[in-house]
Amino acid sequence: DAGVTQSPTHLIKTRGQQVTLRCSPKSGHDTVSWYQQALGQGPQFIFQYYEEEERQRGNFPDRFSGHQFPNYSSELNVNALLLGDSALYLCASREGRNSNQPQHFGDGTRLSIL
Amino acid sequence: SQQGEEDPQALSIQEGENATMNCSYKTSINNLQWYRQNSGRGLVHLILIRSNEREKHSGRLRVTLDTSKKSSSLLITASRAADTASYFCATRDAGGTSYGKLTFGQGTILTVHP
Repeated sequence: DAGVTQSPTHLIKTRGQQVTLRCSPKSGHDTVSWYQQALGQGPQFIFQYYEEEERQRGNFPDRFSGHQFPNYSSELNVNALLLGDSALYLCASREGRNSNQPQHFGDGTRLSIL
Repeated sequence: SQQGEEDPQALSIQEGENATMNCSYKTSINNLQWYRQNSGRGLVHLILIRSNEREKHSGRLRVTLDTSKKSSSLLITASRAADTASYFCATRDAGGTSYGKLTFGQGTILTVHP
């Protein structure tokens, strides 16, 4: 039973470029959340998708956008990249929109902005 | 923004000793979760404690929750070198609109020396 998978594992971009990160949730999970983790910090919530809609959003600018597909997989898009966007981007999935179940995390995508 | 503080920021112990990490938070919560992160990897869920629970055990892990003080502790007994990692507490806010968003602390770096 595959867990949460993310691609790519590493990515290098330059300022001003755009990037798309991908996530496949754990089998049976329909809710996907994205987090940004800067070096030495705890993860910060970006947004959550359920039934192909953004249900909740953290304190991130509109440059960060996402999408959820009918098979529950998800993408995170970041436009006009800034140096400060360099971070580990984590995807988490869970069964149910509002359940008390723990979230399962992927290994993340390490994004470096030059 | 981070939910609260974790204490200590770093902890260094010998194999076989117990490790205790503390977490404080600011809002009313639905549950509190502890995660482990090995260097550069994703987060692994350790234990979830609901707001109406005071203590929970899982193997060598013991978690306590004091909602009146808005604090939690994680105890790892008989530590092993393989327990070396960063440990994060994360809270899920109470209320129907939280949709399961997790707010993380900044983490405790645990080093267990063989």
